[in-house]
Order: sequence, then C-alpha cells, then structure tokens
Amino acid sequence: EAGVAQSPRYKIIEKRQSVAFWCNPISGHATLYWYQQILGQGPKLLIQFQNNGVVDDSQLPKDRFSAERLKGVDSTLKIQPAKLEDSAVYLCASSLGRNQPQHFGDGTRLSIL
Amino acid sequence: AQTVTQSQPEMSVQEAETVTLSCTYDTSESDYYLFWYKQPPSRQMILVIRQEAYKQQNATENRFSVNFQKAAKSFSLKISDSQLGDAAMYFCAYRSLFQGAQKLVFGQGTRLTINP
Repeated sequence: EAGVAQSPRYKIIEKRQSVAFWCNPISGHATLYWYQQILGQGPKLLIQFQNNGVVDDSQLPKDRFSAERLKGVDSTLKIQPAKLEDSAVYLCASSLGRNQPQHFGDGTRLSIL
Repeated sequence: AQTVTQSQPEMSVQEAETVTLSCTYDTSESDYYLFWYKQPPSRQMILVIRQEAYKQQNATENRFSVNFQKAAKSFSLKISDSQLGDAAMYFCAYRSLFQGAQKLVFGQGTRLTINP
C-alpha cells in the first residue's frame, strides 16, 4: 500500500511570510495527525483529526497556525506569519482508527531565515 | 500529563554486538501503549516495536526486544546482532488508551551509531 505522502520536502522562507504543507494519508485511514519536530527533540503533536473533525489541537499555536482536513482525506497545515522558532520538521501521520499504529510520512523540513 | 525521558543522547556499538537503549516514563494511567520508533536521516518515523501495558510478556520483533518494567515505569530496547542499517535516531513513545487521547508522547531520542 502507498504510504503517507507529504509535500514539499523542503521549504525555506523568511520570517513573517506564510507557508503551507500538504499531507495525503494512507487510503482509508480515518485519523490524521500533524507533529512538529524541532531539531534535537522528539515530535510534538500539533493537531489530530478524526475524519473531518478536530480531536485535539491543544498544542497548536492558533494565533499563527491553522489546519484543515478536506472531505476527511487530505490535510493542509498553514503558518502565517512564520517566526524563527517555527523552524522544524513537520510530520504527518495517519492511522485506521484509535489504538491502531500510526504511519508517518517523510516530513517537510521548514527553515525560517 | 505524561512524560517520556531518554537519558542517553548518544550510543554506539560494534557491528554484530548487542546494545540497550533506555527509556523511562511517567503516567498515572494503568493501561497504555509504549513504542520504539526508528528515524533514519530520511526523517520517516518507522515503528520498531510495540508493547501493551496490560501484557506481562515482553514484546519481540526479530532482533529487537524490550524489557518492560511496569512498576518501575521503564521500557528499554535491546538490539541484538547490530547491523549498519540500524544506525538512526531512536525514539521511545507513550500513548494513552483513553478515548480521543491518541497522540504519541515522545522522548528526546537516542542517536545510535554502529561501528563496522
């Protein structure tokens, strides 16, 4: 089966600009996650979707970050405006449902100049 | 809130030897999952092994096994017959069983180097 697809693979922007990341989960996976992984740290959950609905966005900086999941399939994560501390790898993961293993994409490495 | 701690930022081992990576966690829950993930330079997180807290038997996947000590809240990973392809960052992770609380809580990671 095809894995979790993410794009772009790399992105370089200047602070205060906006950026968007795209994720296509494994077909049939109802649950989708976005994680932020700062260099030298483990990933941290930003937002979790169950189909179209948000299950957990408690650690999402809502003043600058937004995310949506269209028709319960693809998802986009947006940052506007970007800050230097947003430099990180953004990982998307999906799972069939609760208590099922999460499958990760290759991530997008974001660098803020 | 749950926390996961990996006290070894870096480890190295000779090819074909055995290495153990340490992980401790803190939780007030009685049922949960624990995981070890491998992250090579390609950045994809790859599931290595999974342990359900209600199972007393330690999980094993080929050359990978865990030592799960629930009372001590310890979850170490043993890699036997280390291979060059095992070189990567290894992350220990916790996941609650409660409805909706499906996020993975990760430790800081351990960088494993395999010496030929």
